[in-house]
Amino acid sequence: EAAVTQSPRNKVAVTGGKVTLSCNQTNNHNNMYWYRQDTGHGLRLIHYSYGAGSTEKGDIPDGYKASRPSQENFSLILELATPSQTSVYFCASGQGADSDYTFGSGTRLLVI
Amino acid sequence: SQLAEENSWALSVHEGESVTVNCSYKTSITALQWYRQKSGKGPAQLILIRSNEREKRNGRLRATLDTSSQSSSLSITATRCEDTAVYFCATGYNQGKLIFGQGTKLSIKP
Repeated sequence: EAAVTQSPRNKVAVTGGKVTLSCNQTNNHNNMYWYRQDTGHGLRLIHYSYGAGSTEKGDIPDGYKASRPSQENFSLILELATPSQTSVYFCASGQGADSDYTFGSGTRLLVI
Repeated sequence: SQLAEENSWALSVHEGESVTVNCSYKTSITALQWYRQKSGKGPAQLILIRSNEREKRNGRLRATLDTSSQSSSLSITATRCEDTAVYFCATGYNQGKLIFGQGTKLSIKP
């Protein structure tokens, strides 16, 4: 079954450390997305990608980098993690705004 | 400011009743999607309604789209306890971006 898999499921990081969140999709979708979810803010778009080698800034990209080395994989990188980046992060794949999207189960990140 | 937002933070109905969640958005869209998110899970797509469509159904769910008033609604009939979740509308744009509202928490009481 086509799916979006995120790893790790939970992560504790220290302030100033580097964090990499990984996402793999088997949907063969061109587009992949990273969102963060905080109480009172819904899901906010951080970065997205149209295909291997491409990354685009979403609405809240500051403090985050993204990497799309292949059709299947999309990573979110926090070079210098801060406590304000404590959140739940979701990856999704889709073929465009008028297509089906599939979300992963999320990564819960705590920065201390 | 939010490009899409649901009109209620929370709703509560008794099992078997019908309920409607409303959403408004601010710019021209390609499509509008409704999602349900249960506790501890990722959002799951319920209905996708394109800008040239007015209504879409999926079992007990019915979504409407009014592009003139830039609004949409999701109705659930014969609600069940398992419908308890947060419901989001999300607006889609030509660039492929999907922007979510803040969500409506729906509680179904036995």
